[in-house]
Amino acid sequence: EAQVTQNPRYLITVTGKKLTVTCSQNMNHEYMSWYRQDPGLGLRQIYYSMNVEVTDKGDVPEGYKVSRKEKRNFPLILESPSPNQTSLYFCASSLWGGPQHFGDGTRLSIL
Amino acid sequence: GIQVEQSPPDLILQEGANSTLRCNFSDSVNNLQWFHQNPWGQLINLFYIPSGTKQNGRLSATTVATERYSLLYISSSQTTDSGVYFCAVERDTGRRALTFGSGTRLQVQP
Repeated sequence: EAQVTQNPRYLITVTGKKLTVTCSQNMNHEYMSWYRQDPGLGLRQIYYSMNVEVTDKGDVPEGYKVSRKEKRNFPLILESPSPNQTSLYFCASSLWGGPQHFGDGTRLSIL
Repeated sequence: GIQVEQSPPDLILQEGANSTLRCNFSDSVNNLQWFHQNPWGQLINLFYIPSGTKQNGRLSATTVATERYSLLYISSSQTTDSGVYFCAVERDTGRRALTFGSGTRLQVQP
C-alpha cells in the first residue's frame, strides 16, 4: 500500500530534550516536505526537499533541522525543543508536479 | 502572497443532504488540492484538480482556473463525512509549498 509513515504519532516531552520525528514514503517520490498545523495559523511549511541531499527552508524553519540521505526518508529534528514547538506535524511527499500525499500526523507536546 | 478563501466556514447537515463548498484564490496557481481532515487529525487527499472536473463516488470537484475558484460537491452526506475540508493551492514550482485555506468545518448529523 502506497503511504507516508510518520513516527511517533504522539509524543509528550520536555524542553531541551532532543527529538526526531521520522517520515518514510514507499512511492519513490522525489519531493518531500514538513508542515506544522496550529490553531488560527493553519498549516505552514517548515522545510522541503527536492531530492536526496537537496533540502531548503520553508516558511517557519527556526528551531528545526532536516536531512535527506535516502530518497524514502526525511526526518525532522528538534535539537532543543521549546514549548512554542508544540503542534501537529505533517510530512508530505509527491512525484514532481503530482499531488502531495500526507502522513497521518504527529502530535508533539513540549512541556 | 496568495490568498485562499473558503466558504462557508461552518456547515451543519442532516445525513443524506447535499452540499457545495467553495474555494476562491487570488492569483493563478499551478496546482490545487482538496483535503479532508477527519476528527483524528488525519489529512486525506480528496482531489488533485488544477482545472476541470473530477468525481470520486459521492464527491466531485470542479476547478475553473481562469476565474480562480474551485468547488467541492458532497452528495448524500454521511456522518463519516464530518471534519474539516481544506482547499490548498501551489504556486512556486520549486518550493511547492501548499497555501491552505482556513477550511470548512462540516458536521453531519444522523
